[in-house]
Amino acid sequence: DQQVKQNSPSLSVQEGRISILNCDYTNSMFDYFLWYKKYPAEGPTFLISISSIKDKNEDGRFTVFLNKSAKHLSLHIVPSQPGDSAVYFCAARAWEGGSEKLVFGKGTKLTVNP
Amino acid sequence: ETGVTQTPRHLVMGMTNKKSLKCEQHLGHNAMYWYKQSAKKPLELMFVYNFKEQTENNSVPSRFSPECPNSSHLFLHLHTLQPEDSALYLCASSQIDRAGNQPQHFGDGTRLSIL
Repeated sequence: DQQVKQNSPSLSVQEGRISILNCDYTNSMFDYFLWYKKYPAEGPTFLISISSIKDKNEDGRFTVFLNKSAKHLSLHIVPSQPGDSAVYFCAARAWEGGSEKLVFGKGTKLTVNP
Repeated sequence: ETGVTQTPRHLVMGMTNKKSLKCEQHLGHNAMYWYKQSAKKPLELMFVYNFKEQTENNSVPSRFSPECPNSSHLFLHLHTLQPEDSALYLCASSQIDRAGNQPQHFGDGTRLSIL
């Protein structure tokens, strides 16, 4: 059973508008959440993260919101740019022994149209 | 990002071949990881090395054999693979520090095709 779910396989927005990517999780032991961006033929690139003790983290055009009671996080990109077109992965961290384990969603493909 | 380098980028091999994937990190991290990404599936963690010691094996078949000779290098040795092992194999590294939160950094992956 998937512990991290991204229910929208794709999202299309107009340049300059807001992009909102969503992620749900089931494991309340996750303590750190990350968003990665992936272009074709490249590896995932870290974008932004949030600790489970916070509800918002902002970095330039990117803001991540965490709602622990709903086990939901979202990534807001505003304003969206064509260069933001990529696959976005949500990931959540759990600890097993002394090891960090990231659990990933399947990704959402964002297309920003000029 | 050039912090984590993987070679080769593409690999085609028969089921009876033996090959190795290589990963090198230049970030001074103390943990390295192998992930597998199959079509339409999320990234799946295969192996974790903390300070060169393997600490996680997630029930990976023995035809995959990891090796971590030092904190900067990680190998994945492959032998008698199956067609369903065709996937993108990603290496990552991170600095483990339970007092803080540090992201994992990924290489660009090796695209593996089993004939």
